[in-house]
Amino acid sequence: SQQGEEDPQALSIQEGENATMNCSYKTSINNLQWYRQNSGRGLVHLILIRSNEREKHSGRLRVTLDTSKKSSSLLITASRAADTASYFCATDANGGGADGLTFGKGTHLIIQP
Amino acid sequence: ETGVTQTPRHLVMGMTNKKSLKCEQHLGHNAMYWYKQSAKKPLELMFVYSLEERVENNSVPSRFSPECPNSSHLFLHLHTLQPEDSALYLCASSQEPGQDTDTQYFGPGTRLTVL
Repeated sequence: SQQGEEDPQALSIQEGENATMNCSYKTSINNLQWYRQNSGRGLVHLILIRSNEREKHSGRLRVTLDTSKKSSSLLITASRAADTASYFCATDANGGGADGLTFGKGTHLIIQP
Repeated sequence: ETGVTQTPRHLVMGMTNKKSLKCEQHLGHNAMYWYKQSAKKPLELMFVYSLEERVENNSVPSRFSPECPNSSHLFLHLHTLQPEDSALYLCASSQEPGQDTDTQYFGPGTRLTVL
């Protein structure tokens, strides 16, 4: 079964509202990362949180990590139409080496103007 | 996105064709990756190269053959593909694979359609 599972699969909110997406994973991790993908394009790295961190901020983004529950959340505050995209969590498994990232299926976020 | 480029952006090929996807990174990174993104499925890691040596294969069918001639270039050679191989193929690079702050930078992808 896959490592990351985002919830919800799709989210539609009004511009200006906050958007919260959740991610659960199964194994020990070095870090958890959130990426954004506009339709049919490459992924853009948003934020990385290490396994020994609990919360991190970057501009309008806030990420939390609960390693006891193996879960993370991404909060986008004061959403804008340009935030419409798919958001993926990805985990870097504990163990070192170049083993790539394991991605979830993503949350498709739509911001209504 | 301009740090990692991919060509072609779109490719349509028959099942008997041989084609290659190209990826180039201009970031001085040490590792490069191929991912496959199919509809309604998570991104799947296909291959990893670290310092030009393959370190991950992930049980990818042999009709996909990677090549990494140097740390800046990565190819994916395709032959006798199946229609289910149609997907977005994404290349990525990273500076310090295995470090706990390593992040990956993605190219725009190649949209592959196999007829």
